[in-house]
Amino acid sequence: DTEVTQTPKHLVMGMTNKKSLKCEQHMGHRAMYWYKQKAKKPPELMFVYSYEKLSINESVPSRFSPECPNSSLLNLHLHALQPEDSALYLCASSQGSGTSRSTDTQYFGPGTRLTVL
Amino acid sequence: DAKTTQPTSMDCAEGRAANLPCNHSTISGNEYVYWYRQIHSQGPQYIIHGLKNNETNEMASLIITEDRKSSTLILPHATLRDTAVYYCIVRAYTGNQFYFGTGTSLTVIP
Repeated sequence: DTEVTQTPKHLVMGMTNKKSLKCEQHMGHRAMYWYKQKAKKPPELMFVYSYEKLSINESVPSRFSPECPNSSLLNLHLHALQPEDSALYLCASSQGSGTSRSTDTQYFGPGTRLTVL
Repeated sequence: DAKTTQPTSMDCAEGRAANLPCNHSTISGNEYVYWYRQIHSQGPQYIIHGLKNNETNEMASLIITEDRKSSTLILPHATLRDTAVYYCIVRAYTGNQFYFGTGTSLTVIP
């Protein structure tokens, strides 16, 4: 089973709202990722969690707040977003080899389509 | 910084082999080449990856040049369902991050 699930599938929110995106995997993976994808552009890495600790933050604005409550769950908390934050938000997971130089295939969820009004 | 360059778009006749090239001239010795594809508005789907040797699985073949500066993804018998954007990715040497290039939009024509 290589399934990563994301909820909700679609989200519409106002600029003053607080909302959360959820991601879940049950493959025993220890690394989880958030990506942002604008229309007709490639996915852009936002955050990486490795063994439930934030290991990479690609200079993402603080209105995006990631959280990894346990090894199977990854949340992205949203607050005071701007219309330009409207995008497809993708979650991925991998075995998470840390400093290992082995392969580390990422498996992606279907994404949450976010619209900020 | 994107470490790969790919043609923006390609067409392929249904039933024929689709050959998608990728240049990664700055690749380091221990960095892997990954290929993913993304069908409209879905999450990227893993296809194949390799380091030095050519690789084949049930979906595709990956040919990596001896100097490792370029690779080609081969879909042996393209179908209409293979229409997608194909991303060639060089995985960072340390850490877990992928940096996607701009991808190739492949259209399979009936």
